[in-house]
Amino acid sequence: AQSVTQLDSHVSVSEGTPVLLRCNYSSSYSPSLFWYVQHPNKGLQLLLKYTSAATLVKGINGFEAEFKKSETSFHLTKPSAHMSDAAEYFCVVSDPLNAGNMLTFGGGTRLMVKP
Amino acid sequence: NAGVTQTPKFQVLKTGQSMTLQCAQDMNHNSMYWYRQDPGMGLRLIYYSASEGTTDKGEVPNGYNVSRLNKREFSLRLESAAPSQTSVYFCASRKPTGSSEAFFGQGTRLTVV
Repeated sequence: AQSVTQLDSHVSVSEGTPVLLRCNYSSSYSPSLFWYVQHPNKGLQLLLKYTSAATLVKGINGFEAEFKKSETSFHLTKPSAHMSDAAEYFCVVSDPLNAGNMLTFGGGTRLMVKP
Repeated sequence: NAGVTQTPKFQVLKTGQSMTLQCAQDMNHNSMYWYRQDPGMGLRLIYYSASEGTTDKGEVPNGYNVSRLNKREFSLRLESAAPSQTSVYFCASRKPTGSSEAFFGQGTRLTVV
């Protein structure tokens, strides 16, 4: 069975400082991993995805994530936070052995950016 | 490009009432999903349809039914609404490969009083 744990439910940073949102996953096979962002009262937008190519994945708006199989982690980073980054972020896993091609979500991390 | 369209966007129901949430996608995706989002719990899968003509239970199916009407449309029905079903509901679709991303609708905010 696949599962995702987002280690922090809330993260607060100052504008211009680095962002780190942590994600650990459990999967029976080589998974695909995604980060989605949800701005207040909006739908979900894909930030980036890992699909067994390069382990360092670049996404939109300056975000990156590194797949570390030995640590079963897929942490999301950004060198310099912007006020517009304030949102909720979801780490998501898809295990190809799971019936129905299901996506399993972590509990989410709310990022707050202080001026 | 419409993508995934959900209706309605907002709904208030009384306990015991029924309703159907509609979802349609125009990307020719085989797989469609219904999730509910509750604070601190991420998105939890209610039902999914891996392909036209098939539906299966997800993590939290109790109190819901679904219909995959055709390849484009996947509806979610609450037969007898309960306050515990107050939530934000998202429909999603994706191609039938593990590496493909899901595309989400804008959500339906449902309140059961």
